[in-house]
Amino acid sequence: GAGVSQSPSNKVTEKGKDVELRCDPISGHTALYWYRQRLGQGLEFLIYFQGNSAPDKSGLPSDRFSAERTGESVSTLTIQRTQQEDSAVYLCASSPQTEAYGYTFGSGTRLTVV
Amino acid sequence: AQRVTQPEKLLSVFKGAPVELKCNYSYSGSPELFWYVQYSRQRLQLLLRHISRESIKGFTADLNKGETSFHLKKPFAQEEDSAMYYCALSGLGAGGFKTIFGAGTRLFVKA
Repeated sequence: GAGVSQSPSNKVTEKGKDVELRCDPISGHTALYWYRQRLGQGLEFLIYFQGNSAPDKSGLPSDRFSAERTGESVSTLTIQRTQQEDSAVYLCASSPQTEAYGYTFGSGTRLTVV
Repeated sequence: AQRVTQPEKLLSVFKGAPVELKCNYSYSGSPELFWYVQYSRQRLQLLLRHISRESIKGFTADLNKGETSFHLKKPFAQEEDSAMYYCALSGLGAGGFKTIFGAGTRLFVKA
């Protein structure tokens, strides 16, 4: 596609429910990142996919968080048993194989846990 | 460990004044450094990267390995420069190659 697409753009969920966030990267981009941005704060690294290599999950805050990616295309970030502190904007970014070109970000999913 | 520090959360300058947004990093290898910008109600976007030594929208940034800095500068700030600016570093860390971001600096250019 023309850019990185994320859905839904907004999600309000009740505490304890599971949510699934989707990211559709730019075609041909092998690297895909998920970041979390809490209100008034910077970007917090969550997980990184690069081609067919094992993902770097070192940023996932708890075992309630998981992410998958199908080949070099769509990725889903799943949060189980959501908590209020999970409320944030979840950003996805992709880049060509060489990170030196920088990343293209999606517009994010704003998650609100009530 | 990789670390990016942006010491100022908020920077306010008058239109036409010079602006410098500070970024310091910690990394043992050769880093790849970037500045990203997020204008109001827009998505985060790449502003410039150190390897290209380019000037975008009048902004420049020089990598100073001795001071481990990558400050963003513009000689004459414009109102439309008001935005959130993030410094980022890509490098090989304990978990593999990754990009980390600073906490960001909000630039406010006053008329």
